[in-house]
Amino acid sequence: AQRVTQPEKLLSVFKGAPVELKCNYSYSGSPELFWYVQYSRQRLQLLLRHISRESIKGFTADLNKGETSFHLKKPFAQEEDSAMYYCALQGAQKLVFGQGTRLTINP
Amino acid sequence: SAVISQKPSRDICQRGTSLTIQCQVDSQVTMMFWYRQQPGQSLTLIATANQGSEATYESGFVIDKFPISRPNLTFSTLTVSNMSPEDSSIYLCSVVASGDTQYFGPGTRLTVL
Repeated sequence: AQRVTQPEKLLSVFKGAPVELKCNYSYSGSPELFWYVQYSRQRLQLLLRHISRESIKGFTADLNKGETSFHLKKPFAQEEDSAMYYCALQGAQKLVFGQGTRLTINP
Repeated sequence: SAVISQKPSRDICQRGTSLTIQCQVDSQVTMMFWYRQQPGQSLTLIATANQGSEATYESGFVIDKFPISRPNLTFSTLTVSNMSPEDSSIYLCSVVASGDTQYFGPGTRLTVL
């Protein structure tokens, strides 16, 4: 079975501080992992995917198969990063989402 | 990428009635999905809308409650039948485009009284 766990429902950090949103997964096959973001009053959109290994808006995420994790990180948070973040796992043509973490960046 | 629109954007319905939600994509796509996001919850896959054949439903979702149509590669509908307050959710359409990236529509916010 596919399962994605985001242990923090809420995360609040100050502007300029580092951010780490945790994501752990469970999947017997070879996982493909994504981070989606939903800004206030906007639709859900793809932030990044592990196979592209790129940095988007300063965010990076590394797949750690040993720890079955795909944590999202940014060294210096900005106020515009405040949003809902979802970790998702693609397996067997089905995308499974975690519960989401609401990130608030305080000025 | 793909541009996805949904109609209606929101609706308030009475218990026992049905609502059909439309999803339109600006390009032909093979894979099309319907999700539900209940208040304070994450997204849950309802079904995969297959063009030319019956939709594939996830565990806990049945065709009688959520009939889906997919007449072509750019359009699909989801009907929420015999609604109850527990059906109050945001319903989202999504498609796979640009390789295997999934894009989401703006959602339909449904409130059942």
